Amino acid sequence: EVQLVESGGGLVQPGGSLRLSCAASGFTFSTYWMSWVRQAPGKGLEWVANIKQDGSQKDYVDSLKGRFTISRDNAKNSLYLQMNSLIAGDTAVYYCARGPAYCGGDCYSYFDSWGQGTLVTVSS
Amino acid sequence: QTVVTQEPSLTVSPGGTVTLTCASSTGAVTSGYYPNWFQQKPGQAPRALIYSTNNKHSWTPARFSGSLLGGKAALTLSGVQPEDEAEYYCLLYYGGALVFGGGTKLTVL
Repeated sequence: EVQLVESGGGLVQPGGSLRLSCAASGFTFSTYWMSWVRQAPGKGLEWVANIKQDGSQKDYVDSLKGRFTISRDNAKNSLYLQMNSLIAGDTAVYYCARGPAYCGGDCYSYFDSWGQGTLVTVSS
Repeated sequence: QTVVTQEPSLTVSPGGTVTLTCASSTGAVTSGYYPNWFQQKPGQAPRALIYSTNNKHSWTPARFSGSLLGGKAALTLSGVQPEDEAEYYCLLYYGGALVFGGGTKLTVL
């Protein structure tokens, strides 16, 4: 069974930093792209970033480039999100999600498995 | 800034059929946007339903189907069940960037 377990969320002051972790199990982590998706309280989903299997390619939503950094450690089956210069607008539940995954031909599957999320609150 | 638009809310009767749509501010949605659909119930993580326009995951109930309709991606629920009441999100691919729609709150009444 695929399991994704996020940790590292909490209360942080504006301007502070936080590092989120996602522990993966139940699948061969090193063969999948992985992503972070966030959801502000009462709002919709927002894709944050994704990272290729070997970490050689990383994509970010334009609005977060330069402040957030995605990384992974395949030996530890773990995904990370380093968040710097946090602002109130970064307050959200942050989900770790598996994918995108190529499914043959002209086909990609995004986020077929999700963690339960970790809440980040940016407030003084 | 790219915007993906969904109906904010829809209401359907149990056993009925409803279609949710997903439009792109850049123009017609095609298969190259790899439309994906997700269901989210209150207090839960999202769950994937449809990938690349019309492909179902192994856990996706048969009553859910995806398509392209009039320049938009579409999710159709046929024979709606009370447990289908949820928020539904589409996701489109823009060459390295991914954008979710704002979500459709589906009420089964």
